[in-house]
Amino acid sequence: NAGVTQTPKFRVLKTGQSMTLLCAQDMNHEYMYWYRQDPGMGLRLIHYSVGEGTTAKGEVPDGYNVSRLKKQNFLLGLESAAPSQTSVYFCASSYSDKGHGYTFGSGTRLTVV
Amino acid sequence: AQKITQTQPGMFVQEKEAVTLDCTYDTSDQSYGLFWYKQPSSGEMIFLIYQGSYDEQNATEGRYSLNFQKARKSANLVISASQLGDSAMYFCAMREGPGNTPLVFGKGTRLSVIA
Repeated sequence: NAGVTQTPKFRVLKTGQSMTLLCAQDMNHEYMYWYRQDPGMGLRLIHYSVGEGTTAKGEVPDGYNVSRLKKQNFLLGLESAAPSQTSVYFCASSYSDKGHGYTFGSGTRLTVV
Repeated sequence: AQKITQTQPGMFVQEKEAVTLDCTYDTSDQSYGLFWYKQPSSGEMIFLIYQGSYDEQNATEGRYSLNFQKARKSANLVISASQLGDSAMYFCAMREGPGNTPLVFGKGTRLSVIA
């Protein structure tokens, strides 16, 4: 099925561990985004990419790194996980169709203990 | 200052009644887009409706309509004939400028539909 696929769906990390969240889209979208969702905070932008090989910081980028080596993939890395990074992470992609906004992945629930 | 403000953390509505979810926004751009998304308990984000700043008519999509009041900078979502399946979190979001800039989301409103 066409869309945005996030892996893994769930993960528990210990403080200080590292991990990478993978986002893959098969819609040939230029733009990809990583958001985190915390209770009462809505969705906040971590990093985004406007094309292959480009990345930019969002509202809450500290503690995260990203890479977009291929157009279809957008990776979010946590080098040294902290309990404050416990959250639900959403990846999204879009193209220049203003009427539809984003296509979201199903989310990754990350718990850092 | 918040770009998107949703002042109703939670709302209840009787089944088959209409409900309005409030959203106000803050931007100095002339060109912008406003979006509403639904997040049911299963967690996925579902696009509902879009309104462009230059659109003269209010957007409608089935039972959803967007009450766009540009001078007041409000973009309220109206759901007509509420159904039990409408119980969910609803997020208002804005894209500033004419390009594909990232969406900024409000904190959401949890809607509960009562039978």
